[in-house]
Amino acid sequence: AQKITQTQPGMFVQEKEAVTLDCTYDTSDQSYGLFWYKQPSSGEMIFLIYQGSYDEQNATEGRYSLNFQKARKSANLVISASQLGDSAMYFCAMSLSGAGSYQLTFGKGTKLSVIP
Amino acid sequence: DTGVSQDPRHKITKRGQNVTFRCDPISEHNRLYWYRQTLGQGPEFLTYFQNEAQLEKSRLLSDRFSAERPKGSFSTLEIQRTEQGDSAMYLCASSLAAGVDNEQFFGPGTRLTVL
Repeated sequence: AQKITQTQPGMFVQEKEAVTLDCTYDTSDQSYGLFWYKQPSSGEMIFLIYQGSYDEQNATEGRYSLNFQKARKSANLVISASQLGDSAMYFCAMSLSGAGSYQLTFGKGTKLSVIP
Repeated sequence: DTGVSQDPRHKITKRGQNVTFRCDPISEHNRLYWYRQTLGQGPEFLTYFQNEAQLEKSRLLSDRFSAERPKGSFSTLEIQRTEQGDSAMYLCASSLAAGVDNEQFFGPGTRLTVL
């Protein structure tokens, strides 16, 4: 069965600094997708970035980049130039081709706090 | 289109009562998902629809839970004889296409508290 592990329950970062949020995954599928979502205190899940298992380049979206290391089964999120509005829960998730629904399997999340 | 909407945003009920939640997906999205999120956890998959057909249900979805999506538009999730363990955030998501790269757009969630 697929599994996502986020080992950092909480992280602190100084405003304007970069921060890396860790994510490792476990699956025997060859085709899968990896996602990062942000969940502010309001509760809504906001899509940040996607990486496909066959993508050779690391995904980037503005201040977000995904450090994809396939052999190590890791998909870490890097946020550059942190802003106060980045304070939120961050979830790593995986979608499998073998799961007909393409449901997302989520990790437990990392709570990021940006310090002014 | 303003995205996925859910109603109500908050629901407080007494144990044993029935509750129903509604989700309106993004209009052109044919896939609709329900997830449940408890405190300190990531969302967990409950069920999904492709158009009006419910194609997969998680083992988390006990017999007290039922979901529908008549006409392939909005969806409802009903919980009968609620228990305190049902207290959670219920999230709805929708997507346009099938595939590992299908981005799911989430609604704001319905927070259920069972007293």
